[in-house]
Amino acid sequence: DADVTQTPRNRITKTGKRIMLECSQTKGHDRMYWYRQDPGLGLRLIYYSFDVKDINKGEISDGYSVSRQAQAKFSLSLESAIPNQTALYFCATSDAGTGKDEQFFGPGTRLTVL
Amino acid sequence: AQKITQTQPGMFVQEKEAVTLDCTYDTSDQSYGLFWYKQPSSGEMIFLIYQGSYDEQNATEGRYSLNFQKARKSANLVISASQLGDSAMYFCAMRGLSGSARQLTFGSGTQLTVLP
Repeated sequence: DADVTQTPRNRITKTGKRIMLECSQTKGHDRMYWYRQDPGLGLRLIYYSFDVKDINKGEISDGYSVSRQAQAKFSLSLESAIPNQTALYFCATSDAGTGKDEQFFGPGTRLTVL
Repeated sequence: AQKITQTQPGMFVQEKEAVTLDCTYDTSDQSYGLFWYKQPSSGEMIFLIYQGSYDEQNATEGRYSLNFQKARKSANLVISASQLGDSAMYFCAMRGLSGSARQLTFGSGTQLTVLP
């Protein structure tokens, strides 16, 4: 099945460590996104990419960086993790060719920074 | 800037009854899309329904319908004949069609509990 996968699914790390979250998709979509979810705040956009050479900051990009290695791969890095980056992280994809451009989400990565 | 407001942090409904989850939005875009997603306790985000700002008919998908009132800037989700499996968090989201507004903006969600 065409899908959006995220690795790892769970990660516990310490303050100051570098962390990379990876996202892969087999949907053939050109657009990819990274969100974080905190309790009571819904999902907030960190970065998005409309194609391999296009990277854009979202609402809360400070402390994060991304890399679009290929159409199917979009990685999120925390260069020096801090406790308030503890959250549930979602990758999503969408197809610019459809009118509604709905986003399909991966299963999420639960990150805890101690 | 886009903004989505969901004013009901939690809702309860009896099984087999209908329920309406409220969503209001604010945008300066003339063209935009409105979405509803479901997040069960397992955590995944499931797309439910979409309404385009120029769609004349309210969107329907099975037991889900979207009550779109453009002048009031509201896009309420109606779930008919609630089932126990409908218990979940529900998010309203919108996307503009130009510039930075092309990203999805989410509301804070409504936790729906279906009672047996």
